[in-house]
Amino acid sequence: DADVTQTPRNRITKTGKRIMLECSQTKGHDRMYWYRQDPGLGLRLIYYSFDVKDINKGEISDGYSVSRQAQAKFSLSLESAIPNQTALYFCATSDQGAHTGELFFGEGSRLTVL
Amino acid sequence: GQNIDQPTEMTATEGAIVQINCTYQTSGFNGLFWYQQHAGEAPTFLSYNVLDGLEEKGRFSSFLSRSKGYSYLLLKELQMKDSASYLCACMDSNYQLIWGAGTKLIIKP
Repeated sequence: DADVTQTPRNRITKTGKRIMLECSQTKGHDRMYWYRQDPGLGLRLIYYSFDVKDINKGEISDGYSVSRQAQAKFSLSLESAIPNQTALYFCATSDQGAHTGELFFGEGSRLTVL
Repeated sequence: GQNIDQPTEMTATEGAIVQINCTYQTSGFNGLFWYQQHAGEAPTFLSYNVLDGLEEKGRFSSFLSRSKGYSYLLLKELQMKDSASYLCACMDSNYQLIWGAGTKLIIKP
């Protein structure tokens, strides 16, 4: 089983619908992140959390919200999906104690908003 | 503003050597990362440089020059499985990662 698991892996929805992407991890890491990836662009940070009580906006948080339900779970919500939120979404974790700051990514959730 | 530049696409031959360059401009510097991403898959960590010089790890090496804002990833003895995108990312003064758009490497037999 993957250490960082995302559900769903693929989702097609319509404009205006509410969507939740879920992420769970078994690595025991405190830090969790949500990124989106678009063709021709670098990964862009949406939200990140350094522990259960900590939520921080990233570069492109507008139109998104998150919930850190437990150390192992970090979910991303699109309250009212729009077509330009069509992208590949990645959850990632990192170990606070690791000096390299290496990220461990989930397998990705491909979202299409029609 | 903060910026990471790397070539969009490169082509190389199986068994050869290829160098993928990355230049960066960031607010502060706390290290440079290279990740590999196969099509449709998650990025996976390759290397981390925070001091100037060359770090070698098997067939892959990564170089950093902080004064020039420059790094490269060197892949030797290329194999078909090395066909992937290679992502350069720089950690700024706030310990946030700034990502390049990635270099798609195509390996030909």
